Amino acid sequence: EIVLTQTPLSSPVTLGQPASISCRSSQSLVYSDGNTYLSWLQQRPGQPPRLLIYQVSNRFSGVPDRFSGSGAGTDFTLEISRVEPEDVGVYYCMYIIHPLTFGPGTRVDIK
Amino acid sequence: QVQLVQSGAEVKTPGASLKASCKASGYSFTTYAIYWVRQAPGQRPEWMGRINTANGDTKYSQKFQGRVTITRDTSANTVYMELSSLKFEDTAIYYCARDDWGPDYWGQGTLVTVSS
Repeated sequence: EIVLTQTPLSSPVTLGQPASISCRSSQSLVYSDGNTYLSWLQQRPGQPPRLLIYQVSNRFSGVPDRFSGSGAGTDFTLEISRVEPEDVGVYYCMYIIHPLTFGPGTRVDIK
Repeated sequence: QVQLVQSGAEVKTPGASLKASCKASGYSFTTYAIYWVRQAPGQRPEWMGRINTANGDTKYSQKFQGRVTITRDTSANTVYMELSSLKFEDTAIYYCARDDWGPDYWGQGTLVTVSS
């Protein structure tokens, strides 16, 4: 069973500054079809999760371009180029191949 | 636009059953499967199960096997999740999400409180 870990677990950031979240998997996330089904979710306070990034680096519909994803194999990164007030929340990496697996989450708040 | 609208909050006593609903709109219902995911307070989301809305095939997390049943009503574009023998630790927000190579659109959640 795949285990996802995230660092840091908490990230106080200054508005307008970048933020970076790492997600590491216990084994390679490259699927048998050659694709890597690692996604990133954002959960604002009191809200349901929202899909930001799918297949490592593809922004979902309506997601601002200050969000970007990268990585391969077992190591992945979500970057926010300039943090805005509405970016406060918890960010989860997620592997979608059965069973659906979530990382522990990284809390982003404003310094 | 794609929408998943879930049923309202519930308070249950231990041992009772829960049946939550998730009504889909804005897309062809049987084209996408639906996940159920729950999130206990302060915890990460947790996968419970998935239903193929076209043929009704289901897959459940081993953790909930025997206690969870997911069904769908294609005439109503609605998916149901039933969880039996509720325990205090089942207190959580229960979400449905559409499966398009992973959860893309999520419902607003159903808060379930198990309390005596």
